Formats: sequence, C-alpha cells, structure tokens
Amino acid sequence: SQTIHQWPATLVQPVGSPLSLECTVEGTSNPNLYWYRQAAGRGLQLLFYSVGIGQISSEVPQNLSASRPQDRQFILSSKKLLLSDSGFYLCAWSVWGIDEKLFFGSGTQLSVL
Amino acid sequence: GENVEQHPSTLSVQEGDSAVIKCTYSDSASNYFPWYKQELGKRPQLIIDIRSNVGEKKDQRIAVTLNKTAKHFSLHITETQPEDSAVYFCAASIGGSARQLTFGSGTQLTVLP
Repeated sequence: SQTIHQWPATLVQPVGSPLSLECTVEGTSNPNLYWYRQAAGRGLQLLFYSVGIGQISSEVPQNLSASRPQDRQFILSSKKLLLSDSGFYLCAWSVWGIDEKLFFGSGTQLSVL
Repeated sequence: GENVEQHPSTLSVQEGDSAVIKCTYSDSASNYFPWYKQELGKRPQLIIDIRSNVGEKKDQRIAVTLNKTAKHFSLHITETQPEDSAVYFCAASIGGSARQLTFGSGTQLTVLP
C-alpha cells in the first residue's frame, strides 16, 4: 500500500533563517506531488505541484520554492523565512486517473519567530 | 476559476443527532467532489467522495448528496459520536484532477456528549 512520509513534524525557526521540508512517497510510481499550507483556523492553500522529476508548478508567488530531485521525493524550501510563513504545511500525493484522489502527509507545524 | 463556499463555519450537535454541512460551487465543469475530515493537529483524511453522475452516496453513517442543477452538495452524518468532532472540508474538482481541487473554508463540527 502507498504511504507518505513528511518531516519534521514541528519546526521553530527565526525570521530570516532557511527552511527545508521533505516528503517521500512509497508504494507508487510517478505520483503527482503537492505542497499545501494551512494557516491557523483557515482552509487549504495549494502552493506547488509536480507531475514529474524537475517539473514544478507554482500556484502562489512567495518566498518559497519547491524541488523534486527524485520521482517520489518533494522538498519545500526557503532562503529566508518571514513571519507570515508560519503555518501547517502538508505534503500530498495523487495518481493519474479518473477522480484523482488526494492523500495528505502528516504535516509540519512551522512557527517563525 | 472555481469557487467553493461552505456553510456553516461552526456546527454543534448533541451526540446521536444528525449533522449536515453544505457546499456550493461555481463552475459547472466540476465533476468530482471529495470530503475531508481533519482532527486537530492532524492530516486531512478523505472520508467520502462523489462523482457528478451520481446523486447520492452512502458509507455507513456518512452520506453525500449532489445537486448538479443547483451546484451544491452536502455531507450528512447520522447518529453523531464524539469522535466525529473535527473540521470537515468539501472540495470540487474540474475534470476530476487533484491539482484542480478547490477547497471550501471548512466546518468545525463539535459533537456534545
């Protein structure tokens, strides 16, 4: 069965510091991968998605970036964090098909102080 | 683009009562409608979904109904239990594509014992 691993679970970073969040998927090949952000008490905002290695689409302009160095690995990065980057970051995956179901990782709670 | 509105934002029910959450969508091309449940601090989990060629779908105590003409769909939970307490998100997808998923703003359901 497919599983998705996301780490770290929590992270506290000072303003201006770099960020790297990692996500890996097991049990499937060539998944579509996604990064979402959820601000406290708010909905889900799609940040990036990838349909293959090296292919990244950005949905929201910001100081974050994403990379997909391997088929089942997705990384969210920032060179300099802002206070507004605080939130709950969720990696997700799906596989091409009719009614493409989206499955989420366990999330990273990021606090920028 | 698609716009999904979800009501109510908060809902409290007595244990054993039914709960109904409603969503409307704007794009008639949307044809796939999943519902997610998110417990505090955890990942959203897919609990039920429906395609546009189906009017109703049930899974034990959970059911979803869809009215394509009116462009609205609803989640029904019967015989609510305290463990049903969570935030519920509806979503709509154009063409059944996960990267075309638009989420509602969420409903905080509280089941009172």
